[in-house]
Amino acid sequence: EIVMTQSPGTLSVSPGERATLSCRASQSITSSLAWYQQKPGQAPRLLIHGASTRPTGIPARFSGSGSGTEFTLTISSLQSEDFAVYYCQQYNDWPGTFGQGTKVEIK
Amino acid sequence: QVHLVESGGGLVKPGGSLRLSCAASGFTFSNYYMSWIRQAPGKGLEWLSYMSTSGSTIHYVDSVKGRFTISRDNTKSSLFLQMNSLRAEDTAVYYCATGGYYMEVWGKGTTVTVSS
Repeated sequence: EIVMTQSPGTLSVSPGERATLSCRASQSITSSLAWYQQKPGQAPRLLIHGASTRPTGIPARFSGSGSGTEFTLTISSLQSEDFAVYYCQQYNDWPGTFGQGTKVEIK
Repeated sequence: QVHLVESGGGLVKPGGSLRLSCAASGFTFSNYYMSWIRQAPGKGLEWLSYMSTSGSTIHYVDSVKGRFTISRDNTKSSLFLQMNSLRAEDTAVYYCATGGYYMEVWGKGTTVTVSS
């Protein structure tokens, strides 16, 4: 099973600032990586798939990069609605596995 | 508008069974792989199972293999998860979602509590 490790566990950021979240896979997953946002009491929402592709309706301030084992989610200018937990997920091999999450909180 | 609604959760004793349902609307259900994912209280996400459009391909994570069974009824745009031999560690919110690789659309979830 591929282990996904996210860092940091918690990121304190001021509104308007840039946030950079990292995700590392225990072995190469090429570009088979998705990012999700989850707010308290809500289901996760897909932000990025294929490491860097934004689905329709996802704001351009969310961007993903990386391939192989190292990936990054960048939120260019944090809005109040972006404070949430973010998960990465690999789908290169079954079972697809999630990272433990990064909580983005207001500084 | 794509919409998924889970139902069937509740309180069950260890060793008991539950059948979860997921009703889909707003898209052609039969064209989509479908998945079940769960989230234990205060924990992360665990992808449990997925099923291909026709049901010919099914995968389960080891933690539920032999106890849970995924199925679908394309004529009723519905996905199911039969859960047997439930354990305390199966306590979680259970989500259905579209996709068998990444999950595009998620339902709001249904809560399963396994306790005596």
